[in-house]
Amino acid sequence: DAGVIQSPRHEVTEMGQEVTLRCKPISGHNSLFWYRQTMMRGLELLIYFNNNVPIDDSGMPEDRFSAKMPNASFSTLKIQPSEPRDSAVYFCASSPRRDDQPQHFGDGTRLSIL
Amino acid sequence: TQLLEQSPQFLSIQEGENLTVYCNSSSVFSSLQWYRQEPGEGPVLLVTVVTGGEVKKLKRLTFQFGDARKDSSLHITAAQPGDTGLYLCAGGDDMRFGAGTRLTVKP
Repeated sequence: DAGVIQSPRHEVTEMGQEVTLRCKPISGHNSLFWYRQTMMRGLELLIYFNNNVPIDDSGMPEDRFSAKMPNASFSTLKIQPSEPRDSAVYFCASSPRRDDQPQHFGDGTRLSIL
Repeated sequence: TQLLEQSPQFLSIQEGENLTVYCNSSSVFSSLQWYRQEPGEGPVLLVTVVTGGEVKKLKRLTFQFGDARKDSSLHITAAQPGDTGLYLCAGGDDMRFGAGTRLTVKP
């Protein structure tokens, strides 16, 4: 079975540019999570969706960040405009349900903003 | 928000040694998960503990859930270089993660 698929794996862009990260969750999973990981702050939950509906976006750092889940098989995380401090590894994960369900992670997108 | 504190933050040991890492909270969790993350990859689930006092074994790894379901521990027997990685615990309604223990096992 295919796992969580993220694209791109690496992204390098200049500050001010728009960045779009993509995620395809595991088929049949109802919950989708976006995380950001840095050495300083560890793994931070940005937002999660349940049945395509955003449930908690309190972790989204600023209005520059937005996430959508137009259908059960696709989600995007957009940063506009990007800043150097946004550089991190961004992970998408999915789980069968929201509560206390183990998450299956993608391999992440390593984002570098110059 | 249910916070999870992990300790130690870093651990470097020799091959063959035993170790224990901890995941603690002031909140009660219905379950906790342990993950291991290797460089360049996402975290991978090791185990889920559900019942207070539960002990689960995965080869040389032993996971325990506290009786009050507020804490958990991971014990590794005879550590090997392949155990090197970042060990994360997670739980709660919003599935938040602890900061992790970064383990290095030297040959």
